Amino acid sequence: KAGVTQTPRYLIKTRGQQVTLSCSPISGHRSVSWYQQTPGQGLQFLFEYFSETQRNKGNFPGRFSGRQFSNSRSEMNVSTLELGDSALYLCASSERTSGQYFGPGTRLTVT
Amino acid sequence: TQLLEQSPQFLSIQEGENLTVYCNSSSVFSSLQWYRQEPGEGPVLLVTVVTGGEVKKLKRLTFQFGDARKDSSLHITAAQPGDTGLYLCAGLSGTYKYIFGTGTRLKVLA
Repeated sequence: KAGVTQTPRYLIKTRGQQVTLSCSPISGHRSVSWYQQTPGQGLQFLFEYFSETQRNKGNFPGRFSGRQFSNSRSEMNVSTLELGDSALYLCASSERTSGQYFGPGTRLTVT
Repeated sequence: TQLLEQSPQFLSIQEGENLTVYCNSSSVFSSLQWYRQEPGEGPVLLVTVVTGGEVKKLKRLTFQFGDARKDSSLHITAAQPGDTGLYLCAGLSGTYKYIFGTGTRLKVLA
């Protein structure tokens, strides 16, 4: 099976802009989670979608949103970008409770 | 709030040495995973342990899940430079949310 793919791999945006990141899970995986990773804060959970419904949510402001489509592909959106949003954004898919499989991540730089 | 504390945070050892990384919580998890991450890449799943007291071995890596399913350990025998990376543990909560540990950054010197 193909692994989790994320696009784009790298992105540079200006403060105040918005951005949309995409994630295609492993075929058959219905759960998709998003994480933000920074050197100072480590891996922070954003949200999880299961069968097109948000099942879990982390402690991030409303500027961070996501959705999942009927084919399990997921997108996350960040509006009104701030410098502190610069990070590696990781998507992970899973089937049942056997652990998560991560994509390579999208490196977002906000200037 | 469920938390997973990993220790040590940083570890620098010589090739051939043994090491153990710990992952501790006051919460019970239905399963626990260990991941290894290299710079600029996503974490890679190494193992999932489910049963309290379970021990799994992958070549030179030994993973153990505590009897009460609140803690875990990763032991590496005869570490090699290729073992260098960030090791993360993660526990699965009752609401299907994965709680990640604080991470252990390992460097193995040749």
